[in-house]
Order: sequence, then C-alpha cells, then structure tokens
Amino acid sequence: DGGITQSPKYLFRKEGQNVTLSCEQNLNHDAMYWYRQDPGQGLRLIYYSQIVNDFQKGDIAEGYSVSREKKESFPLTVTSAQKNPTAFYLCASSRAVASDTQYFGPGTRLTVL
Amino acid sequence: QQQVKQSPQSLIVQKGGISIINCAYENTAFDYFPWYQQFPGKGPALLIAIRPDVSEKKEGRFTISFNKSAKQFSLHIMDSQPGDSATYFCAASIGGFKTIFGAGTRLFVKA
Repeated sequence: DGGITQSPKYLFRKEGQNVTLSCEQNLNHDAMYWYRQDPGQGLRLIYYSQIVNDFQKGDIAEGYSVSREKKESFPLTVTSAQKNPTAFYLCASSRAVASDTQYFGPGTRLTVL
Repeated sequence: QQQVKQSPQSLIVQKGGISIINCAYENTAFDYFPWYQQFPGKGPALLIAIRPDVSEKKEGRFTISFNKSAKQFSLHIMDSQPGDSATYFCAASIGGFKTIFGAGTRLFVKA
C-alpha cells in the first residue's frame, strides 16, 4: 500500500522544547516537501528536498530544520526559535521537484502549550 | 507577483447546485494550475489540473475554466453533493516547481 505516512497525528509540546515530526514515503519519489497550514491561509512551504543529502529553504524556514539522509524519509524539527509553532504540518512528495503532482500525507497537528 | 488569490473564503450550496470557486494570479510564467481537495484532518489530494494552453478541462462533475488573458481560473462543481463538503485550494506553479497555494475555500453542501 503506497503512500506517505506522518507520525504522530497529534503532538503536544511545552514551549521551548524542540520537536521532530516524522515523514516517510514508499512511492520512490525523489522530491519531498514540508508545508505549514494555518486557519484561513493556504499551505506555506517550509523546506523542500530534491535529492538525498540536499534540501532548500522555502518561504518560512526560520525556526525549522530538516534532514534527508534517506530517500524515503524527510523529518522536520520545529525548534524553540520558531515563535508560533502551533499549526498543522503537512509532508508531501513528488517524482521530482519539477514534477506537477504532489502527494500529501495525513498531517501532524502540533500544539505547543 | 507570486500570490494566488482565491475567493470566496467560504461557500454554502444546496445539494444539486453548482459550486464555483475563483482564483486569480499575476505571474504569467505559471504554467500549471492544479486544484486540491482537503477533508478535515486529512492532507490535500489532487482533484483536477489544467495548463494554460487549454481553456477548459472537465473530469466528471468537476470542471476547470481558464482565462489566460484575464489571468483567472475557476473550479465548477456540478450537481454538488454533501460528500463534496471540503476545503478546496487552487494553486499555480512554474514547471511544477515551488507550488503557490491559494488561501482555500471551505465548501459546505446542504442536504
């Protein structure tokens, strides 16, 4: 059963703690993305990766970090430097960065208390 | 210039009616215009997409109308059903690179 998995679905953290969100895909896609979704706003790109061991900042990268050590995995760390981390985080993948269709995971809702 | 403006923010339609969502863009370099559908608590999924060399594309009850000169495109949902109730995002990209999403439209179809 191919697709993108994100875990956990819900995550609660205390202010000042770093937290890592998991994203795994078995679609054999080269490109992976992280988006942030806030109420009343579209998806905003945090980071993207075209290939293993390479990633680029998106529009709102401040306070976030990523790694791409394996093709199928693209974890996102929300650091304590992110001023407003409570949001719905979506991971996506595509065959390549220049590929048209992005496939999204089910998302992780992060709440910082 | 990289923005995609989407309207309305929310929409209520009677069952069997037509739902219309509009989007406008500025960057004429955009060459791919997808629509995504998102149900509560789920990730978005591609619904239908169009390229600027085509003025209309239809897939079942879903139609995209594209007006290149006006830099506008819209999604029409014919015979809207309660199961269509979701948030719809228009988007635009250049060669699939760095997709820009609209703010979304929450559609509610009344039974």
